[in-house]
Amino acid sequence: AQTVTQSQPEMSVQEAETVTLSCTYDTSENNYYLFWYKQPPSRQMILVIRQEAYKQQNATENRFSVNFQKAAKSFSLKISDSQLGDTAMYFCAFIPPNFGNEKLTFGTGTRLTIIP
Amino acid sequence: DAGITQSPRHKVTETGTPVTLRCHQTENHRYMYWYRQDPGHGLRLIHYSYGVKDTDKGEVSDGYSVSRSKTEDFLLTLESATSSQTSVYFCAISEFSFSNQPQHFGDGTRLSIL
Repeated sequence: AQTVTQSQPEMSVQEAETVTLSCTYDTSENNYYLFWYKQPPSRQMILVIRQEAYKQQNATENRFSVNFQKAAKSFSLKISDSQLGDTAMYFCAFIPPNFGNEKLTFGTGTRLTIIP
Repeated sequence: DAGITQSPRHKVTETGTPVTLRCHQTENHRYMYWYRQDPGHGLRLIHYSYGVKDTDKGEVSDGYSVSRSKTEDFLLTLESATSSQTSVYFCAISEFSFSNQPQHFGDGTRLSIL
């Protein structure tokens, strides 16, 4: 079974600083998909970024980027120039190869607070 | 934003009563999903649907049933609610099931079983 671990239940950072959220996962597969979702206080789940394991290049979406270390099974999210609107729960998620979204496995989340 | 509406947004009910949550989509997507979110567990899949009248179980399906009689509606039913089913429930949709086609989520239903 695949597991996703987020070891930081809560984090806080000053506005405009950079913050990194950690995620590790456990799988014996070679190809898979990894995601970071954001859940603001409004509760809506929003896809932030995704990474395909066969791609070595780290995914980037504006101020959000990942550090994907396949051998270490690590998938951290870096938020640059943090903004108050980044305050949210962040979930790391994983889908194994040859499966669809019904196998999407979430971590337990990291609550991020951006301090003005 | 994807057109997903969950109803009700909040509900409080008593143990032993039946409860039905509704997910309605306007995107004509084939796949629909029901998750529950609990502290310390992230989101966990309850049931999903891959077409009208086609459904399958997820990780935590015990105590829940679903129905999909129309493409746009996916119902989640708790036949006899228990306190352990107090949770926030999310519906999600996707056009395809492929791993690289992400789901879009509704705003959630907060359900309290007293």
